[in-house]
Amino acid sequence: AQKVTQAQTEISVVEKEDVTLDCVYETRDTTYYLFWYKQPPSGELVFLIRRNSFDEQNEISGRYSWNFQKSTSSFNFTITASQVVDSAVYFCALSETFTGNQFYFGTGTSLTVIP
Amino acid sequence: EPEVTQTPSHQVTQMGQEVILRCVPISNHLYFYWYRQILGQKVEFLVSFYNNEISEKSEIFDDQFSVERPDGSNFTLKIRSTKLEDSAMYFCASSEGRGRYTGELFFGEGSRLTVL
Repeated sequence: AQKVTQAQTEISVVEKEDVTLDCVYETRDTTYYLFWYKQPPSGELVFLIRRNSFDEQNEISGRYSWNFQKSTSSFNFTITASQVVDSAVYFCALSETFTGNQFYFGTGTSLTVIP
Repeated sequence: EPEVTQTPSHQVTQMGQEVILRCVPISNHLYFYWYRQILGQKVEFLVSFYNNEISEKSEIFDDQFSVERPDGSNFTLKIRSTKLEDSAMYFCASSEGRGRYTGELFFGEGSRLTVL
């Protein structure tokens, strides 16, 4: 079973539109971390955010915001006023306490922002 | 800002050849990892390394793969006899402590391996 599900394979938006990337996770652990990474066309993984399971407060960083809801096991990512530079593949990931160091990545959402 | 560096950025090799991918983790980090991403697919865990030994490995990390930290700074991934399906982007990562404590892995920019 998938531990991290990103149901949206590809999304296209027009510049300045808002876009939300969905992430649903599955774990039996009570202490875990959730992450979002950006992978631009150049291929590297860029860390965006980490959230631990005890902190459900939503976070905003500039045009980025994250909505963590334990009740629905979701950790969604919203980009406000999207820009062409936001075009990338975005990965959600889960790190569980009892499996230690392994990160479980979702399959990624490819975002294209059209000028 | 400290970063994880990987070499080479791209390597092309013939099937059956040995390949060594190199990584220099962040200097005060204690845990090191290799992940793999086949083109268009998700990033998959291969192996974690601590205190000069493997701490965890996935099913992907079979006898063809090995890791070592030969000189206290480099962290290498060796593939003994490459197969076509080994073609992927390989990411090295490091962390100060175990993932559950630091919560953040620092990834390198990746080494793209193409097996012909």
